[in-house]
Amino acid sequence: QVQLVQSGAEVRKPGASVRVSCKASGYVFTTYEIYWVRQATGQGLEYMGWMSPLTGHTANAQKFQGRVTMTRDTSISTAYLELSSLNSDDTAVYYCARRLGWACISCPGGYWGQGTLVTVSS
Amino acid sequence: NFMLTQPHSMSESLGKTVTISCTGSSGYIATNYVQWYQQRPGIAPATLIYENNQRPSGVPDRFSGSIDTSSNSASLTISGLKPEDEADYYCQSYDRSNSWVFGGGTKLTVL
Repeated sequence: QVQLVQSGAEVRKPGASVRVSCKASGYVFTTYEIYWVRQATGQGLEYMGWMSPLTGHTANAQKFQGRVTMTRDTSISTAYLELSSLNSDDTAVYYCARRLGWACISCPGGYWGQGTLVTVSS
Repeated sequence: NFMLTQPHSMSESLGKTVTISCTGSSGYIATNYVQWYQQRPGIAPATLIYENNQRPSGVPDRFSGSIDTSSNSASLTISGLKPEDEADYYCQSYDRSNSWVFGGGTKLTVL
């Protein structure tokens, strides 16, 4: 079965960077884009961008331009999200997600990782 | 910027029917698909509806989605409310650059 397993919680100081991983299993990693979404405590969902594991092509939401880097290691079926210049507003749970399948045109959040809490605190 | 607006909270009694609305900030609802997600506390979101009104396998037919182009809105209807339906619900569509746009979420309380 499709699974996205994310790395554990992280604590960083303001100005630092953090990298979150998302390991895929149960399907061929390079055949589906990986999306990233975050959620601050008690707040709504916020889209960050997507990456093609096949080509490495990425597209970030405008808000995160210049601060977000998405990469992948196809040998271990893992996608990474790196966020730099952290501030307290970046404290949130970060989720990776994959589309439901190829039988649908628009089914972007079919499978989700369990989430990774990133805390930014001095 | 394209935005989706949902009621902040709603409540309804067990066994009843509730409809959650999602209104687009421009005439965009008709041209992009809408998805609906359910999120229980401490758990990742899960897709309830995709492509306006399609249910993934395993989602009960108590959940249905629709689009009303005249009001530029999408709706999620939950019938026969159960205690486990108490959760946050988010609509999602796309902006001009194909980035996901989420509504602010609706907290549903089942009385």
